[in-house]
Amino acid sequence: QTVVTQEPSLTVSPGGTVTLTCASSTGAVTSGYYPNWFQQKPGQAPRALIYSTIRKHAWTPARFSGSLLGDKAALTLSGVQPEDEADYYCLLYNGGTATFGGGTKLIVL
Amino acid sequence: QVQLVESGGGLVKPGESLRLSCAASGFTFSDYYMTWIRQAPGRGLEWLSYMSNGGGYIRYADSVKGRFTISRDNAKNSLYLQMDSLKAEDSAVYYCAKGLPTLAYGMDVWGQGTTVTVS
Repeated sequence: QTVVTQEPSLTVSPGGTVTLTCASSTGAVTSGYYPNWFQQKPGQAPRALIYSTIRKHAWTPARFSGSLLGDKAALTLSGVQPEDEADYYCLLYNGGTATFGGGTKLIVL
Repeated sequence: QVQLVESGGGLVKPGESLRLSCAASGFTFSDYYMTWIRQAPGRGLEWLSYMSNGGGYIRYADSVKGRFTISRDNAKNSLYLQMDSLKAEDSAVYYCAKGLPTLAYGMDVWGQGTTVTVS
């Protein structure tokens, strides 16, 4: 069973840049894992941000970008806004099923 | 606009069954993969199952394989999750999510969820 690992929490200052990562227990994350990223604020359903590693949804703010960083998938927020404080989850597909990471709590302080 | 509305959650005893529904509107339901995801109280997201647009391709997470059954009725624009032999650890908010255009691997729009409590 695949285990997907994310940083439990990260802190960033408003206007700063932060990178969240997503690692797989099966080895290096590649585009073939079709990394997806989701944002969830308290009491709300998750909202999709990124799919297929780098692709943005129509509603995804320009300050969010996806990439591969070394052997991990990554989500970078540039010019962080206070409203970006939330939990962020990556999702990786492998062998026909999918696994979420444990989530990263992003604190904007 | 695209909308997904889950229903069918509630309080059940261990070992009982429950059937969740997800009503879709605002898009051509029969063109998209659909996925079920859950979130236990205070925990992260857990991918459960997905089904292809025509229903011929189905996958489950190991945690629910053999107990949960995904299905859909494209004529009714609805997705279902039959949950049998429920356990306390199945208590969670259950979300359905719409797949992506031309791609099986991802979701874009999520419903607001329905709460299942097994106790």
